[in-house]
Amino acid sequence: DTGVSQNPRHKITKRGQNVTFRCDPISEHNRLYWYRQTLGQGPEFLTYFQNEAQLEKSRLLSDRFSAERPKGSFSTLEIQRTEQGDSAMYLCASSLGDRGHTQYFGPGTRLTVL
Amino acid sequence: KQEVTQIPAALSVPEGENLVLNCSFTDSAIYNLQWFRQDPGKGLTSLLLIQSSQREQTSGRLNASLDKSSGRSTLYIAASQPGDSATYLCAPFGSSASKIIFGSGTRLSIRP
Repeated sequence: DTGVSQNPRHKITKRGQNVTFRCDPISEHNRLYWYRQTLGQGPEFLTYFQNEAQLEKSRLLSDRFSAERPKGSFSTLEIQRTEQGDSAMYLCASSLGDRGHTQYFGPGTRLTVL
Repeated sequence: KQEVTQIPAALSVPEGENLVLNCSFTDSAIYNLQWFRQDPGKGLTSLLLIQSSQREQTSGRLNASLDKSSGRSTLYIAASQPGDSATYLCAPFGSSASKIIFGSGTRLSIRP
């Protein structure tokens, strides 16, 4: 257990539905990252926050995706109008600062879109 | 754009062997590099972080080296055990970026 928690651990939804995932980072960590991982691949960066500010978003993050970190603590990732191609593991990580610091990952949320 | 390659993609060895996992990256302007372990269906566990000014880092039976100028890192596992079976991921953190880029990993299986 790294201290980063994610909920739910698994989500099965029908195409077209909206889903929301939550990430609770290690409490003193000011950086929070979201990644997406498909089978057999390494995680791909989606977005990151410095405290409550969203500083970068990947081109992978289409308009259907939105992430928030309202009080600089937990974060949510919402996917609207889900598509089968959204099926993946969504991983959250946090770190104390940026470049020089280890990123600690949560267990992930596995999304299956039927 | 940083690209990370890990070779081999999969490796199966008998218990007790020493082994080396390789990682190469195209942009040598990195700030640090992390090695992670991932068990099936689980999140990632950080094993080692090497700063760009370092040549190697050790933790128990693991030793990671970094040759920034040639864009290569290796993870050495001594006296492998069945519990070492997992996917190992290499992830450099670029100097001009704010995120780490992952390779596809090496899937390691240690046979008892």
